[in-house]
Amino acid sequence: AQRVTQPEKLLSVFKGAPVELKCNYSYSGSPELFWYVQYSRQRLQLLLRHISRESIKGFTADLNKGETSFHLKKPFAQEEDSAMYYCALSGLGYGQNFVFGPGTRLSVLP
Amino acid sequence: EAEVAQSPRYKITEKSQAVAFWCDPISGHATLYWYRQILGQGPELLVQFQDESVVDDSQLPKDRFSAERLKGVDSTLKIQPAELGDSAMYLCASEGGGASGANVLTFGAGSRLTVL
Repeated sequence: AQRVTQPEKLLSVFKGAPVELKCNYSYSGSPELFWYVQYSRQRLQLLLRHISRESIKGFTADLNKGETSFHLKKPFAQEEDSAMYYCALSGLGYGQNFVFGPGTRLSVLP
Repeated sequence: EAEVAQSPRYKITEKSQAVAFWCDPISGHATLYWYRQILGQGPELLVQFQDESVVDDSQLPKDRFSAERLKGVDSTLKIQPAELGDSAMYLCASEGGGASGANVLTFGAGSRLTVL
């Protein structure tokens, strides 16, 4: 069965501290992994996807197939990073079913 | 920038009443999704359309929920009768076009339903 888990409901860090939001998944086959973010009063939006291998807003995420993890990291948190972060997976190609995790609220303290 | 449009933004209704939500995806996006997000949880798929056809409605409570996308463009999600447990945010998303658009979901602002 397809499943995404995010063990932390809330993560609080101080500005300038490193951040790691954990995501683990279960999927039979080769999934595509994503991080979506929802800032206060904004729409849910794509932050990054593993196949792009990009750094977006200083965030990176590496797919570890052995540990079935896709943790989101940033070396120096900023206050504007405070938001809800959702890890998600899907199959490859158009028209796939997307499964979202329960989300982690990141709070970056001044 | 093109957006997914949803209406209404907020709906308050009494249990046993009927409610309907509307979604207009980004022009040219063939795949449309309806998700339900209960407070404190992640989005859960209700129904997925490819053009006007239902691809996946396995999680849609069909005794009270229905969804249609008659012309393969905009879509309507209906609940009849509404129950207290239906209180949630109903999100619509469409999947991007082009080679780089596969697997990229664009979400609407959502319709927040409160059932009293």
